[in-house]
Amino acid sequence: AQRVTQPEKLLSVFKGAPVELKCNYSYSGSPELFWYVQYSRQRLQLLLRHISRESIKGFTADLNKGETSFHLKKPFAQEEDSAMYYCALSGDNTDKLIFGTGTRLQVFP
Amino acid sequence: DTAVSQTPKYLVTQMGNDKSIKCEQNLGHDTMYWYKQDSKKFLKIMFSYNNKELIINETVPNRFSPKSPDKAHLNLHINSLELGDSAVYFCASSRGLFDWPETDTQYFGPGTRLTVL
Repeated sequence: AQRVTQPEKLLSVFKGAPVELKCNYSYSGSPELFWYVQYSRQRLQLLLRHISRESIKGFTADLNKGETSFHLKKPFAQEEDSAMYYCALSGDNTDKLIFGTGTRLQVFP
Repeated sequence: DTAVSQTPKYLVTQMGNDKSIKCEQNLGHDTMYWYKQDSKKFLKIMFSYNNKELIINETVPNRFSPKSPDKAHLNLHINSLELGDSAVYFCASSRGLFDWPETDTQYFGPGTRLTVL
């Protein structure tokens, strides 16, 4: 079964601390993985996708097929990073996205 | 020049009523979606339309009926509203499936918070 797991509902860190939001997935084929972010009172928007191998707002995520993980990392968290982060998977020759339950990141000053 | 817009932003109604949520995208995309975000922030796809044709129809009660008058619009009509329908509903659009296994970015609307009393 296809599934995306984000084990942490809430992650709280202080400004300047490193951040890692965990995402594990279950999928038998070759999925495409995404991170979406929802800032307070704003719409959900794409943060990054694994095929792009890019860094957005200082965030990076590496697809680890052996561990079936796609953890989101940032070396130095900023207060404006506080938001809800969703990991998502797409596969099976469809553009349907399967979302994890989300992790709320709180960055304290 | 909002890319994906939804109306209304908030909808409060009584059980048993019928209501509609409208979605419009001006990105020229062929594919549109409806997602439901429950109280635990879990997002789940409900429907997907490509060029006005239903592509994905998850296990959603028949009370929910999407309507796509043209490829820029995908409205969601809900009959006989129930308490469990209270959620935030997100519309999204994308260029759709292309060059498998790549998929295109989905652009989300701001969401409609539906509260059923």
